[in-house]
Amino acid sequence: DVKVTQSSRYLVKRTGEKVFLECVQDMDHENMFWYRQDPGLGLRLIYFSYDVKMKEKGDIPEGYSVSREKKERFSLILESASTNQTSMYLCASLSGRDSDTQYFGPGTRLTVL
Amino acid sequence: AQTVTQSQPEMSVQEAETVTLSCTYDTSESNYYLFWYKQPPSRQMILVIRQEAYKQQNATENRFSVNFQKAAKSFSLKISDSQLGDTAMYFCAFRPGNTGKLIFGQGTTLQVKP
Repeated sequence: DVKVTQSSRYLVKRTGEKVFLECVQDMDHENMFWYRQDPGLGLRLIYFSYDVKMKEKGDIPEGYSVSREKKERFSLILESASTNQTSMYLCASLSGRDSDTQYFGPGTRLTVL
Repeated sequence: AQTVTQSQPEMSVQEAETVTLSCTYDTSESNYYLFWYKQPPSRQMILVIRQEAYKQQNATENRFSVNFQKAAKSFSLKISDSQLGDTAMYFCAFRPGNTGKLIFGQGTTLQVKP
């Protein structure tokens, strides 16, 4: 089974802090994604990566950056956290070869005070 | 712009009964995929069912089936013999054929009552 893990289930940070959210997948998937989930808005794509060191902006990239130095790891970075970035963050991975199904991590509930 | 709309924020159903969750989407693409994902209270999102747009036959997975109406751009999920474990938030999602990106609806919270 595909396993996608995220470094923290719950995280509390202060405004202005730099925040790192880590995601690791164990199935050698080429594609990885970061979403944020907010009530009434569903999931919105922040950034995605289709290969190591490759990234593309999603629908709401402002205030975020990403890093993919290794195939299995995709990091989301909040350069200077703000209260409007309080949300649930979900990571997902997708094989580029033989699957059209995204596999999701358990999510990180981030609160910015 | 491609959009996905779930017009039912909350629904409830009695155990063992059938419930249908609605989803509509808007696209000019001819090649695409549609999905229903389930997110139980523990928050791990899992795939329930998927449908390729080029297939006319509606997808079925055990108690879960879809009614895919391509011309109407409608993709509803039917859950038969509802179980308490079906209690979750359900998301409809659209994926253009040439990309791995998913576009999600707002979600429907389903409560199965004993």
